Amino acid sequence: EAGVAQSPRYKIIEKRQSVAFWCNPISGHATLYWYQQILGQGPKLLIQFQNNGVVDDSQLPKDRFSAERLKGVDSTLKIQPAKLEDSAVYLCASSLVGLAGGPHEQYFGPGTRLTVT
Amino acid sequence: SQQGEEDPQALSIQEGENATMNCSYKTSINNLQWYRQNSGRGLVHLILIRSNEREKHSGRLRVTLDTSKKSSSLLITASRAADTASYFCATLRAGGTSYGKLTFGQGTILTVHP
Repeated sequence: EAGVAQSPRYKIIEKRQSVAFWCNPISGHATLYWYQQILGQGPKLLIQFQNNGVVDDSQLPKDRFSAERLKGVDSTLKIQPAKLEDSAVYLCASSLVGLAGGPHEQYFGPGTRLTVT
Repeated sequence: SQQGEEDPQALSIQEGENATMNCSYKTSINNLQWYRQNSGRGLVHLILIRSNEREKHSGRLRVTLDTSKKSSSLLITASRAADTASYFCATLRAGGTSYGKLTFGQGTILTVHP
């Protein structure tokens, strides 16, 4: 079974530029998550999709971050404009769970390491 | 905000020794999960324990959960150099409309010396 795919693996941009990350979840997984992991910290959930609908985006800085999951499969996360404090690893994860319930075991991709200079 | 807090922040042991990491959390949970993250890689799910369970085993891993104290521990027995990684606990909150929102702790960095 193929895992969660992410690209690019690394990205270096200057502040105020824009950047986009792509994620392809495990086939059949209804739920997709984007996390931000700052060095030395645990992952922080940015946004959660159930199929192509947003379930939770309470910690997404909506003035600069946006995400979409068209057709309930692939997803993109965009930052525009980027700030220095956005330097982090952006992790995508997916899980089988449909509605609330189930163990919610999540499968993570390798992440995209973003450096904003 | 981070729900779980891991203790210790860093742990250094010799190969063959056991490693114990602890996690404390604040709210009622549906389940608690442990993940491992090797340097520069994504997280890998290790083990899940439900709120009505007290202990669970998987290979060299043993997890305990004490809901009265809101704490969990992960024991890795007979550690190997390959176990060197960061270990995170993550909690799934009970009730509400969390729809599977996991809240991660800060992690414990484990170093196993050959």
